[in-house]
Amino acid sequence: NAGVTQTPKFQVLKTGQSMTLQCAQDMNHEYMSWYRQDPGMGLRLIHYSVGAGITDQGEVPNGYNVSRSTTEDFPLRLLSAAPSQTSVYFCASSEAGGRLYEQYFGPGTRLTVT
Amino acid sequence: AQSVTQLDSQVPVFEEAPVELRCNYSSSVSVYLFWYVQYPNQGLQLLLKYLSGSTLVKGINGFEAEFNKSQTSFHLRKPSVHISDTAEYFCAGPLRSGGGADGLTFGKGTHLIIQP
Repeated sequence: NAGVTQTPKFQVLKTGQSMTLQCAQDMNHEYMSWYRQDPGMGLRLIHYSVGAGITDQGEVPNGYNVSRSTTEDFPLRLLSAAPSQTSVYFCASSEAGGRLYEQYFGPGTRLTVT
Repeated sequence: AQSVTQLDSQVPVFEEAPVELRCNYSSSVSVYLFWYVQYPNQGLQLLLKYLSGSTLVKGINGFEAEFNKSQTSFHLRKPSVHISDTAEYFCAGPLRSGGGADGLTFGKGTHLIIQP
């Protein structure tokens, strides 16, 4: 089992560019989520999904888009990158509702927006 | 939204000494609490969790935590730390009270520094 994988590991974008952060899991988990981690802020939930075709907003959804067409994949899209989106992004998955079950985290994507 | 508060951003401790990392939570309904550890340049890994039952929860790597409802606390402890315990530790709980399958809200983290 690879667990939760994320690509790319590092990315530099210019303001206004768009990109997609990829996340995949091979554990057949229903629940997947995206967090961003900023120094001194902990992790904050961006979007989450409780199954294919179902997504919802977390604490800081503005500027980000998600979709979930398969159980395995949960990409995060930045439509027009801004310097405030410079952060480390983590994808996580769990068996069911994220509030109750252990979340498995990917290794992260470090994004810099100049 | 609910919240968890980690009272110390950094805790230095000597190797083989005991350590306590503090976490307080706010909750009006059910309480589920977690401690995660993040080693440098890695993702987070679950140390332990409290869902219900015994208030003393044992986790991996010799860590344990005690759920205290009257103090609204969930402090993490280890009786004797090792250099390899140097990491960032996060307390987490449900983002929202009530039903629903949303995610977690995290404290800001405590950096545990082990001094030889």
